[in-house]
Amino acid sequence: TQLLEQSPQFLSIQEGENLTVYCNSSSVFSSLQWYRQEPGEGPVLLVTVVTGGEVKKLKRLTFQFGDARKDSSLHITAAQPGDTGLYLCASRTEGGGNKLTFGTGTQLKVEL
Amino acid sequence: EAQVTQNPRYLITVTGKKLTVTCSQNMNHEYMSWYRQDPGLGLRQIYYSMNVEVTDKGDVPEGYKVSRKEKRNFPLILESPSPNQTSLYFCASRPNRVEQYFGPGTRLTVT
Repeated sequence: TQLLEQSPQFLSIQEGENLTVYCNSSSVFSSLQWYRQEPGEGPVLLVTVVTGGEVKKLKRLTFQFGDARKDSSLHITAAQPGDTGLYLCASRTEGGGNKLTFGTGTQLKVEL
Repeated sequence: EAQVTQNPRYLITVTGKKLTVTCSQNMNHEYMSWYRQDPGLGLRQIYYSMNVEVTDKGDVPEGYKVSRKEKRNFPLILESPSPNQTSLYFCASRPNRVEQYFGPGTRLTVT
């Protein structure tokens, strides 16, 4: 079973700060997804990256897929309290078929 | 509105009392799955189904059963719940290999 390691596990910052969270694996991803989960709700898909070196932007969020497709990062610029939540990466490995594996998540809290 | 629904949202039960958590999706998705979410362990897949009457084990299937008699429904059955099955459960469905839609979750406590 592929292991996805996310770091940091917890992050508490002030509004307006920038932050980056990471997702790493020893296996090559066929694709990688980032989700955000708010308390009392299920995860919601933010983005999917497929190509090594790919960069996608979603407003203040920038997602990057490593060249070797074994790591990914999520950068948030000028964080806001509405960004608070659990950020999860999930991937399918090459040859892994339909199985989607989730990382353990990064719990982000943005305070005023 | 396209959605995945789960019932109940909260359930407290006792060891050994059979229970079923229902899951329904209105998006005509073929692929559905169940996950449990525990602190420090993330989301772990329990069972998945690629189509009607086609189900398979995920990473943590012990103590659970599922059925897929209709495309829209994918109930999770705990025949004899135990305290280690206390968790937050999510049903999910997807139309393709990429995007996945999650239900709102069912918080189960087994005493």
